[in-house]
Amino acid sequence: GENVEQHPSTLSVQEGDSAVIKCTYSDSASNYFPWYKQELGKGPQLIIDIRSNVGEKKDQRIAVTLNKTAKHFSLHITETQPEDSAVYFCAAIYHDMRFGAGTRLTVKP
Amino acid sequence: DAGVIQSPRHEVTEMGQEVTLRCKPISGHDYLFWYRQTMMRGLELLIYFNNNVPIDDSGMPEDRFSAKMPNASFSTLKIQPSEPRDSAVYFCASSLAIYEQYFGPGTRLTVT
Repeated sequence: GENVEQHPSTLSVQEGDSAVIKCTYSDSASNYFPWYKQELGKGPQLIIDIRSNVGEKKDQRIAVTLNKTAKHFSLHITETQPEDSAVYFCAAIYHDMRFGAGTRLTVKP
Repeated sequence: DAGVIQSPRHEVTEMGQEVTLRCKPISGHDYLFWYRQTMMRGLELLIYFNNNVPIDDSGMPEDRFSAKMPNASFSTLKIQPSEPRDSAVYFCASSLAIYEQYFGPGTRLTVT
C-alpha cells in the first residue's frame, strides 16, 4: 500500500518568511495530492491540492509542487503570518488516502 | 451548507461499553470516510463508503468496530465493546468523488 513520509515534523519561522514542507510517497500510481491544515480542536481543512498531470499549482500565498519522477511533493507558504500556525498534513491518493505524519508550523510575530 | 456534522463532539465512557459515533455528510457528496487520529499513529483511514456501500474497510482495527451508512445523509461508527486504546479523535469526511474530502469537527472519545 501507499506510504507517505513528511518532513520536517516541526518548523518555526519568523513572520514574513517562507515555509516549505516536503512529502514523499511510495506508490507511483497515486494521482492526487492534497494538503490539509489542522488548527487546534478542529478537523483538517483542505487548503490546496494537485493532480498528477500538473507540476505546480498556486493559490495566493500557497503553492504546491509535484515531482512525479522522484515521487515527492512540497507545500510552499510565502509571507507567513501568525494565523498560518497550525499542523499541516500531506496526503496521497490512489485507491485510498494515506496521510503524512504532519508538520507543526509556528510563525513567530 | 453546514459542512460535515458529527455527534457527539465529546464522549467519555467506561471500558466495555458500546459507543456510537454519528456523521451527517455534506448534501450531494457520494463518498463518506471515517478516520481516527492519535498522537502515536496520526490520521488513519478506517473505512469509506461510496453511494452508501462500504468500499474498503481494511483500516478497521478489529471486529469490535463496525460502520454503517443506511442512507446518503447518515452514517454511524460503532465500537462494541470499547477499550482504553480506542481513545482518539474520530473524524468523518465526505467528498464528491474520492478527492477533495471535507472533514467534520471530530468526536473526541475517551475510554476509561
